[in-house]
Amino acid sequence: DAKTTQPNSMESNEEEPVHLPCNHSTISGTDYIHWYRQLPSQGPEYVIHGLTSNVNNRMASLAIAEDRKSSTLILHRATLRDAAVYYCILSGDQTGANNLFFGTGTRLTVIP
Amino acid sequence: KAGVTQTPRYLIKTRGQQVTLSCSPISGHRSVSWYQQTPGQGLQFLFEYFSETQRNKGNFPGRFSGRQFSNSRSEMNVSTLELGDSALYLCASSLAGSRLYGYTFGSGTRLTVV
Repeated sequence: DAKTTQPNSMESNEEEPVHLPCNHSTISGTDYIHWYRQLPSQGPEYVIHGLTSNVNNRMASLAIAEDRKSSTLILHRATLRDAAVYYCILSGDQTGANNLFFGTGTRLTVIP
Repeated sequence: KAGVTQTPRYLIKTRGQQVTLSCSPISGHRSVSWYQQTPGQGLQFLFEYFSETQRNKGNFPGRFSGRQFSNSRSEMNVSTLELGDSALYLCASSLAGSRLYGYTFGSGTRLTVV
């Protein structure tokens, strides 16, 4: 699986937007970009995923660069509940290789 | 609907013993994956089961094994426990196992080996 690079930590003020970057310069044409987050004392939680076009759901938005070498997870209004470790993961649709490779992620701190 | 259920939540074992952890996936999900999380190594893939067959395996010693039952429930077993096996063990279920569908994780079993 292709590797991703994320900042170790970021801070945001409550109720402000947060942009979490992810670099994936070796992404292949069939790799999807997934984001998961892990709140304290919980298992990872699916946030969003996309291939080429920007994606929106109730939790967040995913902005994908035109060359797909980077992406940004956008939380429109950070809340204290959004404090977590955010993981950017690449994966392809390959049978027999369905595991997720988690990197170190970005620890987001939300300041009240 | 019910989420992924892992039991027990906490476990303390002695070095050399063996342990069995259980995972009940979301109803209808046929793929179950297991991950180990430690402060030093982060989240690492152990193995994945789909329709009672192990389909993929991570880089862990043979002391780590698993199985899946016909109702998709899964168990993982660790034999001859070592202190380094102390970790949070997470189970994830998916509709069909493809990474395209996303995974739902349980809250994990915290294993402490003393």
